Amino acid sequence: AQKITQTQPGMFVQEKEAVTLDCTYDTSDPSYGLFWYKQPSSGEMIFLIYQGSYDQQNATEGRYSLNFQKARKSANLVISASQLGDSAMYFCAMREPFSSGSARQLTFGSGTQLTVLP
Amino acid sequence: GAVVSQHPSRVICKSGTSVKIECRSLDFQATTMFWYRQFPKQSLMLMATSNEGSKATYEQGVEKDKFLINHASLTLSTLTVTSAHPEDSSFYICSANSVSGQGSYQETQYFGPGTRLLVL
Repeated sequence: AQKITQTQPGMFVQEKEAVTLDCTYDTSDPSYGLFWYKQPSSGEMIFLIYQGSYDQQNATEGRYSLNFQKARKSANLVISASQLGDSAMYFCAMREPFSSGSARQLTFGSGTQLTVLP
Repeated sequence: GAVVSQHPSRVICKSGTSVKIECRSLDFQATTMFWYRQFPKQSLMLMATSNEGSKATYEQGVEKDKFLINHASLTLSTLTVTSAHPEDSSFYICSANSVSGQGSYQETQYFGPGTRLLVL
């Protein structure tokens, strides 16, 4: 069963507009972490934002915010004021369980290719 | 954030040769590193978990003898593609966990820049 689902293979947004990239996940564990990474054409994976399952507030990092809806098991990434440099592939990932001292692997979604239009 | 380096960034080799890829955590120690493989337009697929001082844990379907992993120190893991063939051509990327504190325990995986392997 797919644990991380990104239903938007491609998205377009006008420069300076906001865009939401969808991510839903499936887990039965109450402890987990959710991540978003950006992968430009150069291939490097750039960490953007993290949300822990027990975090009370939605995570924010500059122009990135995570719309975390635990009951719906969704963790959508919101990019505000899009810039041309935001054009890239975006991956949602989950790590479970979230336990101290345990280095756990990430499970990635299929990704969303975002194109920012001038 | 934490920095992970990977070397080489690109390699072209002949079929049948072996290729070694290095992954280093530059400003933190990593007891565990991960090796991924990515085909064009696809997501990252975990190949193996590299544990310092012990054997790597391979994902199902990944040949241990084909992809040799050594994690000799807390800052270095190597992946050797043995007897490479054209079907091994891919983008290989490593990552390592870095822990941040400040009231909430968080492991974040930081990735190296990746290695593009082309086997002729």
